[in-house]
Amino acid sequence: NAGVTQTPKFRILKIGQSMTLQCTQDMNHNYMYWYRQDPGMGLKLIYYSVGAGITDKGEVPNGYNVSRSTTEDFPLRLELAAPSQTSVYFCASSYSRVGEKLFFGSGTQLSVL
Amino acid sequence: DQQVKQNSPSLSVQEGRISILNCDYTNSMFDYFLWYKKYPAEGPTFLISISSIKDKNEDGRFTVFLNKSAKHLSLHIVPSQPGDSAVYFCAASALVSGNTPLVFGKGTRLSVIA
Repeated sequence: NAGVTQTPKFRILKIGQSMTLQCTQDMNHNYMYWYRQDPGMGLKLIYYSVGAGITDKGEVPNGYNVSRSTTEDFPLRLELAAPSQTSVYFCASSYSRVGEKLFFGSGTQLSVL
Repeated sequence: DQQVKQNSPSLSVQEGRISILNCDYTNSMFDYFLWYKKYPAEGPTFLISISSIKDKNEDGRFTVFLNKSAKHLSLHIVPSQPGDSAVYFCAASALVSGNTPLVFGKGTRLSVIA
């Protein structure tokens, strides 16, 4: 059972480039989330989804886009990468409701130079 | 404004002794509290949780205490082991009352010294 899988694990982008961080889960969870963690800071919510076709903004959504076409996948899109988006990105899922225990992926380390 | 605060960035404890990690929250709507453990280059993993109807929850060496009047919770690890060295995040949500996503503190780095 893989749980929550994130790809890539590491990526370096140039300013202005775009990329998609992939996230998939095989636990049949309805709820999925994207958090970012900056050094010395906690995890901040970027976007979350309560089911296919339904997404909502979190605390720090600017500069990001998401979509949820299937239960399993929740990709995060950066359109015009900026140095402020250098961070570690974590995808997570939960089973039955927003705010319950989360299962996290192993993270994507992104550097924008 | 931080809703979940972990005011100690780091803590060092001798192996075999008790580790106490603290967390304060400001949002009185929070009714569900969790602790996560994170090793370098890995995602956070769930450790233990407590709902606001209880004041203590125990799981093996880990105990979480909740003081609702003080808006304070703590995680006790007894006895501490070198493998417990990690960053510990406190998190909270208004699970019953508001269905809000988890809000995390900044974390406390625990070092258990052999």
